[in-house]
Amino acid sequence: DTGVSQDPRHKITKRGQNVTFRCDPISEHNRLYWYRQTLGQGPEFLTYFQNEAQLEKSRLLSDRFSAERPKGSFSTLEIQRTEQGDSAMYLCASLASTGELFFGEGSRLTVL
Amino acid sequence: AQSVTQLDSQVPVFEEAPVELRCNYSSSVSVYLFWYVQYPNQGLQLLLKYLSGSTLVKGINGFEAEFNKSQTSFHLRKPSVHISDTAEYFCAVRGGSYIPTFGRGTSLIVHP
Repeated sequence: DTGVSQDPRHKITKRGQNVTFRCDPISEHNRLYWYRQTLGQGPEFLTYFQNEAQLEKSRLLSDRFSAERPKGSFSTLEIQRTEQGDSAMYLCASLASTGELFFGEGSRLTVL
Repeated sequence: AQSVTQLDSQVPVFEEAPVELRCNYSSSVSVYLFWYVQYPNQGLQLLLKYLSGSTLVKGINGFEAEFNKSQTSFHLRKPSVHISDTAEYFCAVRGGSYIPTFGRGTSLIVHP
């Protein structure tokens, strides 16, 4: 068990570019979550998967955001045509059978 | 719908003093409750959780919390804090769905 890993840890991009983040959850966890965290705020739910099925998306999630979990293992979160308001920490987590989330260290996005 | 309120955005305290971080929640169904801690530039890690049973739960690093259903609260306490407890603390609730909702966080600042 190597924990939840996220890549890259930091991404600086120019407005209008596309970015993709990857998350590798704990292998035996079948539920995977994406949250967004901005300075001084708690994690805000974006979307979650059970195995490869995307079960729920936040109404706040713009159509520029898309997430996949093609084989029920790792997941990707893509943001198209980035805007400065997309600057945030993107957190991935997986759900243990004991009820708690295990988080990765996050991917920090800065849009210039 | 479920929500979490952490009324205190910052709690300053001196080392070895007791501390209480407040959390109130709302949910129309039975809940699971969690406290997570986030150190600078790190992901969130679980401090403690309430799923069922005893309303007083003990977690790591000497923290404990009490579930009070009538007051819909889950306050976090520690009898004597250390400098190393300086961090951001998040309360989370999970009701009828598999999606935990987080509060905005409380910054605990421990002064020597």
